[in-house]
Amino acid sequence: DAGVIQSPRHEVTEMGQEVTLRCKPISGHDYLFWYRQTMMRGLELLIYFNNNVPIDDSGMPEDRFSAKMPNASFSTLKIQPSEPRDSAVYFCASSHQGYQPQHFGDGTRLSIL
Amino acid sequence: AQSVTQLDSQVPVFEEAPVELRCNYSSSVSVYLFWYVQYPNQGLQLLLKYLSGSTLVESINGFEAEFNKSQTSFHLRKPSVHISDTAEYFCAVSDHPGRRALTFGSGTRLQVQP
Repeated sequence: DAGVIQSPRHEVTEMGQEVTLRCKPISGHDYLFWYRQTMMRGLELLIYFNNNVPIDDSGMPEDRFSAKMPNASFSTLKIQPSEPRDSAVYFCASSHQGYQPQHFGDGTRLSIL
Repeated sequence: AQSVTQLDSQVPVFEEAPVELRCNYSSSVSVYLFWYVQYPNQGLQLLLKYLSGSTLVESINGFEAEFNKSQTSFHLRKPSVHISDTAEYFCAVSDHPGRRALTFGSGTRLQVQP
């Protein structure tokens, strides 16, 4: 079975632009998680969904960030407008029934200039 | 609130030597515990997990970890490391029951030298 697929792998854009990160979870998984990894803060949860419904978005930094999951096989994380401090690696992960191990995508390395 | 502490940011070790990567957690409820490994420019891969049952869990590539509830620890060990084990290792915890998301430690960089 294919793993979690994220696109793009790398994104470089200028401050103020809209950024959209995409994730396709593993088929059959009912939980989807977005994490961010930085040198300063390590790995931190941004938001997670259960059956396409957002459950906990307490980690979303501010209103510039939004996430959607329109169906069981697709999720997006948007940043608008983007700022240099948003530069990080963004990971998507999925799992079955939440407690089972999460499977991670290869991440999107985002650089905001 | 949960927290995970990995005291060692870097652990240099010679090939074929034993290694221990330390992980301590704090939580007011029962937990599930995980170790993930991250190779450069890749996502995290599950190394091993503790959900219930035996407190000693093993991975297919020779790593093991022991859940110690009284010491709130979940240290990772390997009796003989290889060059290919060079990577970043993350300890993670999730509440059970409760919030499904993982809380990660800050990571330990294992550097295996020839």
